[in-house]
Amino acid sequence: EAGVVQSPRYKIIEKKQPVAFWCNPISGHNTLYWYLQNLGQGPELLIRYENEEAVDDSQLPKDRFSAERLKGVDSTLKIQPAELGDSAVYLCASSLGPWAGGETQYFGPGTRLLVL
Amino acid sequence: AQSVTQLGSHVSVSEGALVLLRCNYSSSVPPYLFWYVQYPNQGLQLLLKYTSAATLVKGINGFEAEFKKSETSFHLTKPSAHMSDAAEYFCAVSPKTGANNLFFGTGTRLTVIP
Repeated sequence: EAGVVQSPRYKIIEKKQPVAFWCNPISGHNTLYWYLQNLGQGPELLIRYENEEAVDDSQLPKDRFSAERLKGVDSTLKIQPAELGDSAVYLCASSLGPWAGGETQYFGPGTRLLVL
Repeated sequence: AQSVTQLGSHVSVSEGALVLLRCNYSSSVPPYLFWYVQYPNQGLQLLLKYTSAATLVKGINGFEAEFKKSETSFHLTKPSAHMSDAAEYFCAVSPKTGANNLFFGTGTRLTVIP
């Protein structure tokens, strides 16, 4: 069974430039998550999708970050414009469904972003 | 609010020695508890999880963790460390009601000395 796929794995951009990350979840997984992981820290949730609906985006900086999950499968996370402080690893995860906690989340390898 | 504390950002053990990584949670209602491992430049992999069944949970690669409600702890152990265990370990909690959101600790980097 294929895991969560993310691309690109690494991205280097200059500040003020736009950048986009792509995620393909495990087949059949209805719930998709984007996490931000700063160096030396644990992941922090940015946004959670249940199918194509963003049900929790309270931690997403909406002035520069946006996300979409068209057709409830793949998802794209965008930053425009990028700032130096956005340098981090962006992780995508998926789980079977939107029911209550305890559901295992499966993580992709992440996209490591460096903003110069 | 859910929170997790991992005591010790770095732990070093000799190969073959006991591994003990500490995790304490802060929640009025005991949450679901998870341990994930992250190898360099990789995503997180689930080691084990506690979902209100047996308090001693066995996971992959010889790891296990015990849920202790009285101590609000979920420490991770392995009897004998192997070089391949060197990685970053994250404890996480998920509330028993509401969304399946994970709240992570700051991680513990395990070094195994040959």
